[in-house]
Amino acid sequence: AQSVAQPEDQVNVAEGNPLTVKCTYSVSGNPYLFWYVQYPNRGLQFLLKYITGDNLVKGSYGFEAEFNKSQTSFHLKKPSALVSDSALYFCAVRVVGAGNNRKLIWGLGTSLAVNP
Amino acid sequence: NAGVTQTPKFQVLKTGQSMTLQCAQDMNHNSMYWYRQDPGMGLRLIYYSASEGTTDKGEVPNGYNVSRLNKREFSLRLESAAPSQTSVYFCASSEGGQAYYEQYFGPGTRLTVT
Repeated sequence: AQSVAQPEDQVNVAEGNPLTVKCTYSVSGNPYLFWYVQYPNRGLQFLLKYITGDNLVKGSYGFEAEFNKSQTSFHLKKPSALVSDSALYFCAVRVVGAGNNRKLIWGLGTSLAVNP
Repeated sequence: NAGVTQTPKFQVLKTGQSMTLQCAQDMNHNSMYWYRQDPGMGLRLIYYSASEGTTDKGEVPNGYNVSRLNKREFSLRLESAAPSQTSVYFCASSEGGQAYYEQYFGPGTRLTVT
């Protein structure tokens, strides 16, 4: 079955340290992958996506993600975390279902806490 | 440019009552979506509209109806609210299909059904 997983419910990191939020997937065909962020009491905001091309994708707010086909992963990274990065992060992946129907499936989210 | 707006922000309903959640976008996007977000369940698609005049069921459509009133507006109706529909509801829009284009989300409606 096609799926996306965020193996960590919560990630804690000290301000100024690098952060990684993990995402793995299992899909048929070429994966289209997305990261979104949700700040408290707000809607989700798009961070970045991988469709094709360079495996390292740069996005908003200094975030980047690395597409690794062999490990079927798309981990979100930032070299130096800020307290304001504390939020809920969602990974999503395109799947192609019956009748060539394309849709997104969402991970359950990872709560990132950046400690001052 | 307000992006995606939703009304109301909060609502409390009694079981069996009906209500409509309103959503509008000013980005001239073709596609619009309704999601619900519940703790431990992530984001689940209720209905979507790929383009003006079309609507399709998502993952959890039971108990809901939608109307794509025009290109800007996409409403979600609960005909007979149930406690299981207590959730945070998000409307979103995108230039094209969700599987390729980034989505823009509204601020959400927090609904409680007692």
